[in-house]
Amino acid sequence: GIQVEQSPPDLILQEGANSTLRCNFSDSVNNLQWFHQNPWGQLINLFYIPSGTKQNGRLSATTVATERYSLLYISSSQTTDSGVYFCAVETGAGSYQLTFGKGTKLSVIP
Amino acid sequence: DTAVSQTPKYLVTQMGNDKSIKCEQNLGHDTMYWYKQDSKKFLKIMFSYNNKELIINETVPNRFSPKSPDKAHLNLHINSLELGDSAVYFCASSRARSSYEQYFGPGTRLTVT
Repeated sequence: GIQVEQSPPDLILQEGANSTLRCNFSDSVNNLQWFHQNPWGQLINLFYIPSGTKQNGRLSATTVATERYSLLYISSSQTTDSGVYFCAVETGAGSYQLTFGKGTKLSVIP
Repeated sequence: DTAVSQTPKYLVTQMGNDKSIKCEQNLGHDTMYWYKQDSKKFLKIMFSYNNKELIINETVPNRFSPKSPDKAHLNLHINSLELGDSAVYFCASSRARSSYEQYFGPGTRLTVT
C-alpha cells in the first residue's frame, strides 16, 4: 500500500516563530488532507489539497503531486497551534480510504 | 448543529463485555467510515460504507461489526471486548466514496479493564 512519511516527528517552537511540516507519499494521490489534532483529541480539517496551494489565515499548504510531497506552513505560531498535525492521502487507484502518516507533534511555548 | 457526532464520548468497560458506539452525520453525505487511533496516535481505517453498502473491511477481528441502518448513521458493535481494543475510535463521513474531503467526529475513547 501507499507509504506516507511526515517530518519532523516532533517540533518545539517559540511563540511567533514560523515552521514548515512535510509530507512525502509513495504513489499518486487523488485526495490529500491536512488535519490538526488538538490536545483534546479533536481532528480538525485544515486543508483538502490534492494539488496546488491554499491559504487560510496563518496557515498555508502546497502539494506538488508530480513530486509526491506536500508542505504545511504555519506562520506566527501561537500556543493554540500545539497538537499533532496529520497528513492523510487516498491513492489514485481508488482505494476509497485515507492512509495517515504518523504525524508531527508541535509544541508552541510562550 | 454538529456535523458528525458520536456517542458515547467515553466508554469504560470490562473484558468480555459487548458494547456499541453510534455515529450520525447531518451533512447529507453518502459515505461513512470508522477509524481506530491507537496509543501511539496512529490512525487506521477499519470500515467504510457507501449508501449503506460495505465497501471497505480492513483486517480487523470479526468481533467488530459495523451496521448502517441508513445513510446518516454508522454504528460499531464490538463483542467480547479485549484489553487490546482500548483506543480512540473515530467516525467520519464524505460526500462520496472517492476523492472527497472527509470530516471526522469527536472520537470515542474506549477503555477496556
